[in-house]
Amino acid sequence: ELKVEQNPLFLSMQEGKNYTIYCNYSTTSDRLYWYRQDPGKSLESLFVLLSNGAVKQEGRLMASLDTKARLSTLHITAAVHDLSATYFCAVISNFGNEKLTFGTGTRLTIIP
Amino acid sequence: DVKVTQSSRYLVKRTGEKVFLECVQDMDHENMFWYRQDPGLGLRLIYFSYDVKMKEKGDIPEGYSVSREKKERFSLILESASTNQTSMYLCASSRTSGMSYEQYFGPGTRLTVT
Repeated sequence: ELKVEQNPLFLSMQEGKNYTIYCNYSTTSDRLYWYRQDPGKSLESLFVLLSNGAVKQEGRLMASLDTKARLSTLHITAAVHDLSATYFCAVISNFGNEKLTFGTGTRLTIIP
Repeated sequence: DVKVTQSSRYLVKRTGEKVFLECVQDMDHENMFWYRQDPGLGLRLIYFSYDVKMKEKGDIPEGYSVSREKKERFSLILESASTNQTSMYLCASSRTSGMSYEQYFGPGTRLTVT
């Protein structure tokens, strides 16, 4: 059974600081997704990572994938309040069907 | 833009009622999914469908059924609602072809069963 673990689960950080969210998964996969969810809202796609070494950046967020280590990171640079949200990683296993398995999410709060 | 819509944003039903949640996507996606989201448990897959009239159980199918009579529409049915089915329900869709298989989510339906 594919398991996806994120850490930390909760993150409170000051504006202007840098931090990284980690996503580990338990089986072979080269398809990993990051989503953002605002309170009471649905999930918004941030990044799609499809190969080992893939790196994608959008504004202050950068995501990377290391398929050998089964690890993805979401790096936040110079955080601003607008980035406060819950971030989920999700993985599709290389074996079986197209099911996404989600991590439990990281609730990020940016403090002025 | 991909658009996934859900029939209701908020729904209150009584225990034992039959509940229908509908999802429609406008991008001709082959795959459609139903998830529920609960605090501390993340998103869990209930059912998915990879073609019209085809369905597969996800991780927590008990107490639910689904229907996909048309490609753009995927319905989740709670045959006899119970209080432990109070949750946020999210529908998603994705392509089968191409590499990314990215799932696009609807706005969600917050269901309360009393």
